[in-house]
Amino acid sequence: AQTVTQSQPEMSVQEAETVTLSCTYDTSESDYYLFWYKQPPSRQMILVIRQEAYKQQNATENRFSVNFQKAAKSFSLKISDSQLGDAAMYFCAYRSALYAGGTSYGKLTFGQGTILTVHP
Amino acid sequence: KAGVTQTPRYLIKTRGQQVTLSCSPISGHRSVSWYQQTPGQGLQFLFEYFSETQRNKGNFPGRFSGRQFSNSRSEMNVSTLELGDSALYLCASSLLGDPQETQYFGPGTRLLVL
Repeated sequence: AQTVTQSQPEMSVQEAETVTLSCTYDTSESDYYLFWYKQPPSRQMILVIRQEAYKQQNATENRFSVNFQKAAKSFSLKISDSQLGDAAMYFCAYRSALYAGGTSYGKLTFGQGTILTVHP
Repeated sequence: KAGVTQTPRYLIKTRGQQVTLSCSPISGHRSVSWYQQTPGQGLQFLFEYFSETQRNKGNFPGRFSGRQFSNSRSEMNVSTLELGDSALYLCASSLLGDPQETQYFGPGTRLLVL
């Protein structure tokens, strides 16, 4: 079974500064997808960024970028130029790319989350 | 395009009762997944439906069940409620449920069991 670990329960950052959220995962699979989701106080889960394991290039989405280290099974999220609206709970998630036995259908495996506070 | 909608948004039930939660996916999406979110256990996968068929199921007791209708709307049911069932229940939809697809989440239904 796959597991996802976020070792930072809480992080804080000053507005306009950069912050990095950590995520490690454990899997025996070679093909998978990794995601960062954001859950603001309104509770609506929003996709921030995704990474395909077969791609060596790190994904970027505007101010958000990842550092994907496949061998180390590490997937960190960097938020540049932090804004007050970035304050939320951030979840790292794993999705198997295999169809064997249907065990990959729909199933995202989440970490415990990191609460990010942004100070003005 | 309208997002994923869930009804009701809040529910209060007592132990032993049963509850039904509803999820309407994004138009055109045929895969619906359900998750339970609690402070202690975090986000856990309940099940996934596609074309009215359950294709995948998480490690939850049989009291948790679901179904999907021909219009892709999905319901989940929890029978004989326990205090530990208090949680935020999230549903997510995607086009076909394939691994490379992004799942889009609804706002959730907050269930409180007294």
